[in-house]
Amino acid sequence: TTLTQSPPFMSATPGDKVDISCKASHDIDDDVNWYQQKPGEPPITIIQESTTRAPGIPPRFSGSGYGTDFTLTINNMESEDAAYYFCLQHDSFPLTFGQGTKLEIK
Amino acid sequence: QVQLMESGGGLVQPGRSLRLSCAASGFLFNRYGMHWVRQAPGKGLEWVAMISNDASDLYADSVRGRFTIARDNSQHTLYLQMNSLRPEDTAVYYCARDLSRTSGVSYGMDAWGQGTTVTVS
Repeated sequence: TTLTQSPPFMSATPGDKVDISCKASHDIDDDVNWYQQKPGEPPITIIQESTTRAPGIPPRFSGSGYGTDFTLTINNMESEDAAYYFCLQHDSFPLTFGQGTKLEIK
Repeated sequence: QVQLMESGGGLVQPGRSLRLSCAASGFLFNRYGMHWVRQAPGKGLEWVAMISNDASDLYADSVRGRFTIARDNSQHTLYLQMNSLRPEDTAVYYCARDLSRTSGVSYGMDAWGQGTTVTVS
């Protein structure tokens, strides 16, 4: 399953709403997770099963989507949210990641 | 809390072998699936292999037949035996937990280690 993530790069101002898209090449139900990664650090889990926030993740992060179209939304973005974001499909093997989105602060 | 600590990375010549380890703590290791995921320099994440709690295993096409994932539940340790290494295997290798308790089923990665660097040159 191919995941097409967009945009590859975006720049936002603190307080903005940010949407990152992940489109699957076929129906994968809600089997999508989202991960945040900062330079030199391992990924951390943000969203599981398309919509469930991982423990300890602030409520400004939310996920939506089912089937082939998925979105990670950051409401009222904060400067500490500058990072790379990756989607993952775990509907079928091999598991595949999106190409990533680099989110920068303006 | 869940802790995963990888070790065993280093510089190795093409064609040689290397074994990575991942020491797990803070959870019932034998209940869950485990993954290896890698990240080449400046690139995205690539799934490498998964082992279920019953020791059944699955691999990415890029490593099948060269890499073997294994687990020792008595030692709470995950392994990745890497043979016939190639320059394109150069990456940071992460171990990660999967909350799946069913063979052949994945819920994705929920907890990640810090990673260990493998350089094939």
